[in-house]
Amino acid sequence: EAGVVQSPRYKIIEKKQPVAFWCNPISGHNTLYWYLQNLGQGPELLIRYENEEAVDDSQLPKDRFSAERLKGVDSTLKIQPAELGDSAVYLCASSPRTSGDTQYFGPGTRLTVL
Amino acid sequence: QKEVEQNSGPLSVPEGAIASLNCTYSDRGSQSFFWYRQYSGKSPELIMFIYSNGDKEDGRFTAQLNKASQYVSLLIRDSQPSDSATYLCAVNGGGGGNKLTFGTGTQLKVEL
Repeated sequence: EAGVVQSPRYKIIEKKQPVAFWCNPISGHNTLYWYLQNLGQGPELLIRYENEEAVDDSQLPKDRFSAERLKGVDSTLKIQPAELGDSAVYLCASSPRTSGDTQYFGPGTRLTVL
Repeated sequence: QKEVEQNSGPLSVPEGAIASLNCTYSDRGSQSFFWYRQYSGKSPELIMFIYSNGDKEDGRFTAQLNKASQYVSLLIRDSQPSDSATYLCAVNGGGGGNKLTFGTGTQLKVEL
């Protein structure tokens, strides 16, 4: 079974530029999560989707971050404009309906904002 | 007070010894508990989960949960150098939502 797929794996941009991350969850997993992980910290939830509905986006900085999961499968997380403090690893995770809190992570996208 | 607390380490153990990793949490309503292993530069990998008080064993790993003390631990028997990684404790606070709160992780070093 293929795992969670993310792209790109690495991204370097200058501040004020836009950036987008893509995630394809494990097949059949209806719940998708976007996390941010800073060095030396645990992952912090940005947004959680149940199918195509964003059910928890309370930690998403909505002034510059946006996300979508239009058909309830793939998802995109966007930052516009990026700031220096956004440099981090962005992780996507998914979980199946049968064990909703057992989350499986993708490889992550390491973002560097210069 | 952090919701999920772990000692950042590093915790150094000799090869073949038992490594004991500890985690405390603040939300008494927490329902489920997870241990993830994260190698440097990699993403977290689920290794154990536990829902009920007591011990749960899976190969060389044992998760222990004590809800009264709000304490969860991970024991790794016969530690190997390949076990050297950061171990993240994650807690689902319940109340619906499948929201995991992660600790900052404990770095484990298994020495030859």
